[in-house]
Parts: sequence; C-alpha cells; structure tokens
Amino acid sequence: GAGVSQSPSNKVTEKGKDVELRCDPISGHTALYWYRQSLGQGLEFLIYFQGNSAPDKSGLPSDRFSAERTGGSVSTLTIQRTQQEDSAVYLCASSKTGGTEAFFGQGTRLTVV
Amino acid sequence: GQQLNQSPQSMFIQEGEDVSMNCTSSSIFNTWLWYKQDPGEGPVLLIALYKAGELTSNGRLTAQFGITRKDSFLNISASIPSDVGIYFCAAPAGRGANNLFFGTGTRLTVIP
Repeated sequence: GAGVSQSPSNKVTEKGKDVELRCDPISGHTALYWYRQSLGQGLEFLIYFQGNSAPDKSGLPSDRFSAERTGGSVSTLTIQRTQQEDSAVYLCASSKTGGTEAFFGQGTRLTVV
Repeated sequence: GQQLNQSPQSMFIQEGEDVSMNCTSSSIFNTWLWYKQDPGEGPVLLIALYKAGELTSNGRLTAQFGITRKDSFLNISASIPSDVGIYFCAAPAGRGANNLFFGTGTRLTVIP
C-alpha cells in the first residue's frame, strides 16, 4: 500500500484478555518497528524486525508481549493477559532498510478497562 | 543504552516568531531524523540528515547535523498555528544495529 496501515485504529478490551494488533508496512520495506506511546509521552521502543534476521526484542516490557512478522511483510503484536497499564497508542513504522527514514502508521489506541 | 535528550521540553511562542530546538546525546550517530507528531496521529518525517555538518531545509524548517555528531538542531522560521505539535529527533541505535531511538520530544504551542 501507499503507507503503513495499522488495524484496528481503536481497541477496547477487558483486563485479562489477549489482544492482537496488526501492521501492514510499506511494500518493499525490510525494516519494521513497533513503539508504544502513553498519553503525552515519548515513543517507547518495543521491537524491531530487519529482513530475515532475528528481531531485536530488547524493548518488550514483559513476557506478555510478543510480535511476529510473517513472510517479511505483515506484523502482529500480541499482548496476553492485558493490564490497565498496557493502555497506550501502539505505533508501527517501516523503512527501506534499518536506521534510515522510517514512516509511521496512524497507530492503534488500546484501552484496557 | 542510548538516550536522546531534547530541549526545551515545551515552548510557547507567538505566531511569526522563530523557533529553535535541539537534540543531544553522549553517543555518536551517523544519521539524525526529525519528526513532527500532531494529536491523534503518527509521527511524520520532516528532515533526514546523513552527514556531520549538513544543513538541510524543508520549507520554513531547517535542521543541522552537529559537527561532533552528538547533536542536531531544528529551526522553524516565521511560525504559524499549524506548527503546533510535538517534535521528535531520532537516530539509529549504532553501527550494525539499526533500530531507531527517539528523543523525549519538544512540545510546541503557537499563540495566534
């Protein structure tokens, strides 16, 4: 597609439920990033995929968080047993190669009630 | 790990004024990126810098890659109300590790 697409745009879930957030990167971009942004805060790095290399998971806050990137394209961020502190906007970005100009999606606003 | 410190944290300026903000780190980088985020939107890339000392403009925006490679500056001339938002700097994590780290952000408010 023309830009990075994320779905859903908004998600309200009950505490303890699992959620899946989807990211469709720009076609041909080998690098994909997930970030989390709490209200009024900066971007917290979560995970980074580069081609077929092992992902950099160093930013995942707990083992409840995981992400996959299938076929080097679409990525899914999964949060298990959601907690209220998981409420935030989850942003996905992609770039042609790592460390270069990254383009962001609109984000998924997650609210855990 | 790397930390990108932006200053000021927030600015309130009158429409028409010029704005300066900067991003500093204790680490050396080969790339500096500047983004703007509007409320409810994802960050949008404004300017990319790839060479120490480089000065690049995009309309009323000018950004510079510091000669020490540890800092970068963003200037906005003749500010207008739509310049309101949060400005972030970003840089790749390091040689061979190309994850992008983001600065703490500068929140700009333009008073008409």
